[in-house]
Amino acid sequence: AQSVAQPEDQVNVAEGNPLTVKCTYSVSGNPYLFWYVQYPNRGLQFLLKYITGDNLVKGSYGFEAEFNKSQTSFHLKKPSALVSDSALYFCAVSNYGNNRLAFGKGNQVVVIP
Amino acid sequence: DVKVTQSSRYLVKRTGEKVFLECVQDMDHENMFWYRQDPGLGLRLIYFSYDVKMKEKGDIPEGYSVSREKKERFSLILESASTNQTSMYLCASKVRQGTDTQYFGPGTRLTVL
Repeated sequence: AQSVAQPEDQVNVAEGNPLTVKCTYSVSGNPYLFWYVQYPNRGLQFLLKYITGDNLVKGSYGFEAEFNKSQTSFHLKKPSALVSDSALYFCAVSNYGNNRLAFGKGNQVVVIP
Repeated sequence: DVKVTQSSRYLVKRTGEKVFLECVQDMDHENMFWYRQDPGLGLRLIYFSYDVKMKEKGDIPEGYSVSREKKERFSLILESASTNQTSMYLCASKVRQGTDTQYFGPGTRLTVL
């Protein structure tokens, strides 16, 4: 079975400071990893994904994520947070031949002006 | 751009009513999904479909059914709505298995009174 853990319910960060949202995963075989963002009363928007290749993946809105196989982690990062980055962030995992995504519980990010 | 639309943003129904939630995608995707989102629980898969008239149960199918008569349309049916089905319902679609990204609709917030 595949699963994702997002250990922090909420992340508070001052505007302009680096933002990190943590994600660890469990899956058989090689993982396919995704990050999504959800703004209030909206659907999920795709940010980035790791399938294979470089461990550092760059995505939309200046976000990036680092795949670490030994730590089974895929943390989302942004060098300088904006107030508009305040949203709910979801990490998800799948693997080869699997049609399903397993989602974490989500992290609320609050960027303080 | 991929577009996934859902028939209603907000819906209020009474206990025992039959409820239809409709989802349409315009990118000829084979796979479509229905999730429910509840605070602290993340996204949970209700059903998915990998082809017309084909479906598979997700993690929480009880109390729900689905219909996919056309490739672009995937319906979620609550046979007899109950208050514990009050939730945000999200539809998603993607091209094929494995590495492809799921694209989400805006969601339907259903309240069952």
